[in-house]
Amino acid sequence: KQEVTQIPAALSVPEGENLVLNCSFTDSAIYNLQWFRQDPGKGLTSLLLIQSSQREQTSGRLNASLDKSSGRSTLYIAASQPGDSATYLCAVSGGGSNYKLTFGKGTLLTVNP
Amino acid sequence: GAGVSQSPRYKVAKRGQDVALRCDPISGHVSLFWYQQALGQGPEFLTYFQNEAQLDKSGLPSDRFFAERPEGSVSTLKIQRTQQEDSAVYLCASSATGTSGIEQFFGPGTRLTVL
Repeated sequence: KQEVTQIPAALSVPEGENLVLNCSFTDSAIYNLQWFRQDPGKGLTSLLLIQSSQREQTSGRLNASLDKSSGRSTLYIAASQPGDSATYLCAVSGGGSNYKLTFGKGTLLTVNP
Repeated sequence: GAGVSQSPRYKVAKRGQDVALRCDPISGHVSLFWYQQALGQGPEFLTYFQNEAQLDKSGLPSDRFFAERPEGSVSTLKIQRTQQEDSAVYLCASSATGTSGIEQFFGPGTRLTVL
């Protein structure tokens, strides 16, 4: 059974700092990996999607890397801003036809002004 | 609207009541997923539809949970005889088919509180 772990569970940083969020998964036979952002009381916003054949994806100040063989992904946020404060979730989908996502518990990020 | 919508956004039920949660996926999206998110946890898979066919219901926690998508568009998640442990946010997601279609887009969720 696929298990996804996110470290740290919570992170508090001053504005402007660069930071890294970590995600690990136990079964390397994944189809893709998605990073999401969740604001309090809201749904999930997709940030980046990395296919299993890719090594990284970038969007603005966000960069996500994937090392499928070691079962790890990192989300790098450059020049953090208070508006980045949210819970960040990592999810993987397996092969096969249904693509259901297995999520980690998330990292609660607080960026202090 | 262009995104996934869910209704109601909030639902309070007394223990033992039946509830129905609705999901409107992105127009034209073939795949539809339901997830359950308990407080402080990541979402957990409940069930998956491809068009009107329910291809995977392995995540439904008990036979009190039932989902349908009769015309391959709108889906309803029904919970019978609600229990306190059913309190959670229920998220719906949809995705298109095709090489770029595997990304899942989520709705805002329905927060269910069972008293």
